[in-house]
Amino acid sequence: DAGITQSPRYKITETGRQVTLMCHQTWSHSYMFWYRQDLGHGLRLIYYSAAADITDKGEVPDGYVVSRSKTENFPLTLESATRSQTSVYFCASSESWRVSYNEQFFGPGTRLTVL
Amino acid sequence: GQNIDQPTEMTATEGAIVQINCTYQTSGFNGLFWYQQHAGEAPTFLSYNVLDGLEEKGRFSSFLSRSKGYSYLLLKELQMKDSASYLCAVLSNDYKLSFGAGTTVTVRA
Repeated sequence: DAGITQSPRYKITETGRQVTLMCHQTWSHSYMFWYRQDLGHGLRLIYYSAAADITDKGEVPDGYVVSRSKTENFPLTLESATRSQTSVYFCASSESWRVSYNEQFFGPGTRLTVL
Repeated sequence: GQNIDQPTEMTATEGAIVQINCTYQTSGFNGLFWYQQHAGEAPTFLSYNVLDGLEEKGRFSSFLSRSKGYSYLLLKELQMKDSASYLCAVLSNDYKLSFGAGTTVTVRA
């Protein structure tokens, strides 16, 4: 089915481990985003990408790394997981960025717990 | 920085009307979005305003006043399925989307 998917949906890891969250979209959208959602903070932008091989930091990038070698994939890596990175992570995509109407479509989310 | 405020919780009765307010102070403005998010699910788009005024879409309407840094989402003829979190988000001058913490609406029979 077309759309935006994330894997895994649930992940438990330990402090210090490297974790990669996957995001895949089938719309050929140029723009992709990673957010984290924590109680009381709403959604906060971690990184975004305007196209393959183009990425930029969002509001809370520390401790995260992204890459985008193909338009349809935008993995997020936690290089050395910390407990403060326990959160729900959402990937999103949009067709365009610099137009007045840029609805973002969200994936189902990954619930990550760092012990 | 961005500052987006909305009430934490609201409760209303089935069939009633609820208005969710959102005030914002951001570095530039390129539009305001409302998203709906059911518990455990992804946010889904509800509305977009970039000019002052009211945008109506079925039972949902969204209003914007840029001079006041204010928006509201109006939910009419409330149904039980409208119980969800409603997120206000502002697109700033650098085209990044900043979200409020969300308003949890509970619809009671």
